[in-house]
Order: sequence, then structure tokens, then C-alpha cells
Amino acid sequence: AQSVTQLDSQVPVFEEAPVELRCNYSSSVSVYLFWYVQYPNQGLQLLLKYLSGSTLVESINGFEAEFNKSQTSFHLRKPSVHISDTAEYFCAVSPIQGAQKLVFGQGTRLTINP
Amino acid sequence: ETGVTQTPRHLVMGMTNKKSLKCEQHLGHNAMYWYKQSAKKPLELMFVYSLEERVENNSVPSRFSPECPNSSHLFLHLHTLQPEDSALYLCASSQDSKIGRELFFGEGSRLTVL
Repeated sequence: AQSVTQLDSQVPVFEEAPVELRCNYSSSVSVYLFWYVQYPNQGLQLLLKYLSGSTLVESINGFEAEFNKSQTSFHLRKPSVHISDTAEYFCAVSPIQGAQKLVFGQGTRLTINP
Repeated sequence: ETGVTQTPRHLVMGMTNKKSLKCEQHLGHNAMYWYKQSAKKPLELMFVYSLEERVENNSVPSRFSPECPNSSHLFLHLHTLQPEDSALYLCASSQDSKIGRELFFGEGSRLTVL
């Protein structure tokens, strides 16, 4: 079985400051890793994912995440945040074999202050 | 039209009522999912359908009954619910149920059980 721990339930930062949202996972098998974002009153959207290849993956809006197998982590970072990044961010994992079965973390609410 | 549409957006019901949640996807996908999002808890996968066949039932109580009449529609029939079933119910779809596919979520149906 898999589990995902997002260490921070809320992260307040000032606009243009850097941010890191932490994600650690536990799994007895190899996994794929995902970050989803949920803007206010909207459904979840895929932000980025790691399936294979380079351990550093990027999104189109400036976020990046690095897969660290030894530390079982997939932290999300952005060097300079904007007001529009205010949302809840969910880390998720899925075993690489079998049917699609995403396991989500509890989410981190990112609040950007002007 | 948005990719995944859920109705109703809000539902209040008593413990003896019978109601249904509806999900419709306009993306031509073959897999559909129900997730439960409760406050301060990770998203919980409830059911997975692939090509209208249920492929995953995550130990969900029988008071929740899913129905997938075709690949575009998914229902969640509710009866004799408990107050702890109050939550946001999210529907999602993906191209198929293979590992690594992006999930596209609806905006959710917020259920309150009195």
C-alpha cells in the first residue's frame, strides 16, 4: 500500500517570495508521482508529474518538483510566487503497475499575501 | 462546456432520503472515478470504472451505489447516509485506467447529511 504525507497543512508567503511545499511518500513498490492544484471553487488540475527520466520536472507556470528516491520525497518549489498561485496543492502517488489508483496527501493550502 | 460536469453542486439531505449525484464528461475518456474529499483528510478513492465496468471498489459502504450506464456518465446513488458522509464528492475521468494517466476533475458536489 502507498501513503502520502504533506507536512504542512497551510503555507502563507508574501508575493514574489520563494516557496516549497513538502511531500513525502511511503510505498513498497515503485511509484509515479504527481502534484495537483485546486483553485478556489474549482476541481483539481494536474500541475506536473514524474513518470521516468529526469528527476526534475517543471510545470508551465513556473513550478518545479524533484523526485528524490532515497528520501522518498517529491517537494514542489517555485522561486517567486504570484497572487494567482493561491490554491490548495495535493501530492499524489500511484504504483507503476496495475490499474490507475492515485493515493493523495491531505493537501497544503498556499496563501499569497501582497 | 467544461470537461467534467457534476450536478448538483450542493445537496442537503436527511438520513432517510434517497438522492443521486451525476457526473458527465465531454472528453471522450474511457475511465471515470468517484473520490470523497473530507475536511483535513486525504482524498479517498471510492470507485473506478473502465469502459463502463467497475474495476475498483475501495471498501465503500453499500449505502453508496455507483452506476455507469455509458462511458460519458457516472452516477452515485445515495441512501440512508450518515452525518459523517458529509463531504465534497469529486468525479474525475481519464483517457483510460492505465497508470500515469492525467485525471480531469469536476468541481464537485458538496453533500451535507443532516
